[in-house]
Amino acid sequence: AQKITQTQPGMFVQEKEAVTLDCTYDTSDQSYGLFWYKQPSSGEMIFLIYQGSYDEQNATEGRYSLNFQKARKSANLVISASQLGDSAMYFCAMREPGGGSARQLTFGSGTQLTVLP
Amino acid sequence: EAGVTQFPSHSVIEKGQTVTLRCDPISGHDNLYWYRRVMGKEIKFLLHFVKESKQDESGMPNNRFLAERTGGTYSTLKVQPAELEDSGVYFCASSPLLAGGNEQFFGPGTRLTVL
Repeated sequence: AQKITQTQPGMFVQEKEAVTLDCTYDTSDQSYGLFWYKQPSSGEMIFLIYQGSYDEQNATEGRYSLNFQKARKSANLVISASQLGDSAMYFCAMREPGGGSARQLTFGSGTQLTVLP
Repeated sequence: EAGVTQFPSHSVIEKGQTVTLRCDPISGHDNLYWYRRVMGKEIKFLLHFVKESKQDESGMPNNRFLAERTGGTYSTLKVQPAELEDSGVYFCASSPLLAGGNEQFFGPGTRLTVL
């Protein structure tokens, strides 16, 4: 079974600083996908970034980048130049193997990020 | 284009009552998923529809939960009878059937409170 571990229940960062949110995963499969979602206090789940297990480059999307270390089975999210609006819960997730992109996601427990002014 | 919508946004019911949650996926998305987050715990997969067929319902906790997707459009999730441990946030997500899109698009969730 797939497992996602987020060891930081809460993180604080100063506005304009960078922050890294940790995520490790456990799988015996060679093909998988890793995701990060943001959940602000309003409750919706917002997709941030995706990394495929065969992607050679680390994924980047604007101020978000994914530090993918396959051998260590880690997929940390780096947010550069933090903004007050980045305060939210952040979830790391893995897509179950098989079935292409249609398989369900397994989520970590989340990290509550607070950006301080 | 409208995103995934869920109704109601909040529901407060008493133990033993019945509640039906509704999810309208993005138009044209054949994959529809239900997840839930019980207080303080991980978001857990419940089931996956491909069009009107249940592709995987391994995450459904017990037979008090019934999901349907008649006609392959919107889906309902009925809890009957509701128990205290059913309280949490129920998310619906959708994605296109064909490869090329990695993202599952989530709805805003329904917060269910069972008293």
